[in-house]
Amino acid sequence: GAVVSQHPSWVICKSGTSVKIECRSLDFQATTMFWYRQFPKQSLMLMATSNEGSKATYEQGVEKDKFLINHASLTLSTLTVTSAHPEDSSFYICSIRGQYNEQFFGPGTRLTVL
Amino acid sequence: GNSVTQMEGPVTLSEEAFLTINCTYTATGYPSLFWYVQYPGEGLQLLLKATKADDKGSNKGFEATYRKETTSFHLEKGSVQVSDSAVYFCALPNATGGGNKLTFGTGTQLKVEL
Repeated sequence: GAVVSQHPSWVICKSGTSVKIECRSLDFQATTMFWYRQFPKQSLMLMATSNEGSKATYEQGVEKDKFLINHASLTLSTLTVTSAHPEDSSFYICSIRGQYNEQFFGPGTRLTVL
Repeated sequence: GNSVTQMEGPVTLSEEAFLTINCTYTATGYPSLFWYVQYPGEGLQLLLKATKADDKGSNKGFEATYRKETTSFHLEKGSVQVSDSAVYFCALPNATGGGNKLTFGTGTQLKVEL
């Protein structure tokens, strides 16, 4: 399957600051990437679908001005959490779509907002 | 839309025991079906998939058969190891949005003890 990396793997920031998370597809040109968040002991919640060269499609209830997504190339998508607050602390995971609609996931980024 | 239901955990087994994690689905047509595994602190890994009815997906000793008669895709392993301790997610493409999204089950935590 495709290899997906994320950077950073973990980040701690102060409340009110912005944090950028990168998602890279290392061996596959991904026109579509997905961003999820996961709370402890819960399943994944899809936040948005990132489309190369166009605006992201956000799921209902996800603030697009809060979670900025940029898919500037076929191998890179970024998620910026703006003016982060403690309730934004979570595990953020990206993925790319494969041939059979499976998805290949990155290792995740643990965000802690103090 | 498409949906999956999987058994609740945690499932606790002794090493070398037989594993079954039940998954049933509701879907339009016969979409691909997937099992993902998530080890502590990591992202999701595609464990196996079946792309059409009656297919059997297998990987690392795990198997699952796409059974359209019972709308099931149960995960099985003949002899589990401590290293198999993880959370397992059943998933299928979501019929909305052109099948690009994945719908996940709630996850089943497996604990394997010596």
